Amino acid sequence: AQTVTQSQPEMSVQEAETVTLSCTYDTSESDYYLFWYKQPPSRQMILVIRQEAYKQQNATENRFSVNFQKAAKSFSLKISDSQLGDAAMYFCAKLQGGSEKLVFGKGTKLTVNP
Amino acid sequence: GAVVSQHPSRVICKSGTSVKIECRSLDFQATTMFWYRQFPKQSLMLMATSNEGSKATYEQGVEKDKFLINHASLTLSTLTVTSAHPEDSSFYICSAREVGRTSTGQYFGPGTRLTVT
Repeated sequence: AQTVTQSQPEMSVQEAETVTLSCTYDTSESDYYLFWYKQPPSRQMILVIRQEAYKQQNATENRFSVNFQKAAKSFSLKISDSQLGDAAMYFCAKLQGGSEKLVFGKGTKLTVNP
Repeated sequence: GAVVSQHPSRVICKSGTSVKIECRSLDFQATTMFWYRQFPKQSLMLMATSNEGSKATYEQGVEKDKFLINHASLTLSTLTVTSAHPEDSSFYICSAREVGRTSTGQYFGPGTRLTVT
């Protein structure tokens, strides 16, 4: 079974600083999709950013960017200029080829300190 | 953006009764919807994949007779928890994949908190 590993159960960052959340995954596919989802206290899952494996360029969405290392099977999320509203659980996920299922990591709880 | 709604947002029911949760894609068509369960401070656990017009596919260990799924149209899937017990209390989340757009991933509903007394 494919797995997605988030090795940091909790992280904290000072407001306006930068933080990086780690994610590694296991796959035998050559083309696939990776996602970062945010789940704030409201528990609504929100798509933060997505990456297509065949694209070498790292995805960027405003203050959010990824460092995608395909050979290392690593997909980290960098949040720049952290804001209080960024405090949430962050889940890394991989789209399982052929089944359309998302495989989630266990999540990282991000705290933003004022 | 694509919006998925769930109803109800919260429900309390007595042990032994059944409760139905609706998941709707409001501005797009979804041939496939997914049902997840999330325990406190844990990740999402996929329960089943719901396909419009066909039987749902359940994950290993999920009782299909207890968690009935119906996907009657391209915008609506329902999850019915039958003969609910306190251990079924949890947060249930649905998601939907837009037809023909695998790369966008899944759009999630706001979730339903079920409490069985």
